[in-house]
Amino acid sequence: DAKTTQPPSMDCAEGRAANLPCNHSTISGNEYVYWYRQIHSQGPQYIIHGLKNNETNEMASLIITEDRKSSTLILPHATLRDTAVYYCIVRVATSGTYKYIFGTGTRLKVLA
Amino acid sequence: GAVVSQHPSWVICKSGTSVKIECRSLDFQATTMFWYRQFPKQSLMLMATSNEGSKATYEQGVEKDKFLINHASLTLSTLTVTSAHPEDSSFYICSARMSSYEQYFGPGTRLTVT
Repeated sequence: DAKTTQPPSMDCAEGRAANLPCNHSTISGNEYVYWYRQIHSQGPQYIIHGLKNNETNEMASLIITEDRKSSTLILPHATLRDTAVYYCIVRVATSGTYKYIFGTGTRLKVLA
Repeated sequence: GAVVSQHPSWVICKSGTSVKIECRSLDFQATTMFWYRQFPKQSLMLMATSNEGSKATYEQGVEKDKFLINHASLTLSTLTVTSAHPEDSSFYICSARMSSYEQYFGPGTRLTVT
């Protein structure tokens, strides 16, 4: 069962910030939020992850609400190469390991 | 970042035959690997968790006798689709866990069953 909800698609102008929302209202206290993206017919690429604090790396920023029920991935200056499907994922602990529960993803199209 | 490879990248097989897909972690050891299936325009669905030296753990609804998983070493896991049918045609993706927080995905294998 998917633990995340994302809008199916979004458009963003090149050079502008892309803000991708994700709802994970049933997340448990020790479950991390991960973001990956998938360009057509390739394997998913890691972007960022977080637990409760906001995170930033060279690719993106992750803003997690205080109640942890939702988060937003921010691509600060979107380029055409950022066109992809973006997945918000909850990492769930199970049987001594962790597994990813993928949501349906948001298809981001960056427009020139 | 760490590299995970899959072989083959695409394969066409006839209905009723079996096909094996390999997943390798090239520059790290992975005690745990994961196998996913992705149908067109859909998300990734976890099929099974593969642990080195032990039996794989399958997700609900995934037939373990049809999708045989072998994780014989710390760098190699294989998925064998047995008695393939056209409905098994899909994009199969593996991932390898490097640490508690890092998991890397392979490029995927496109299987077409005719």
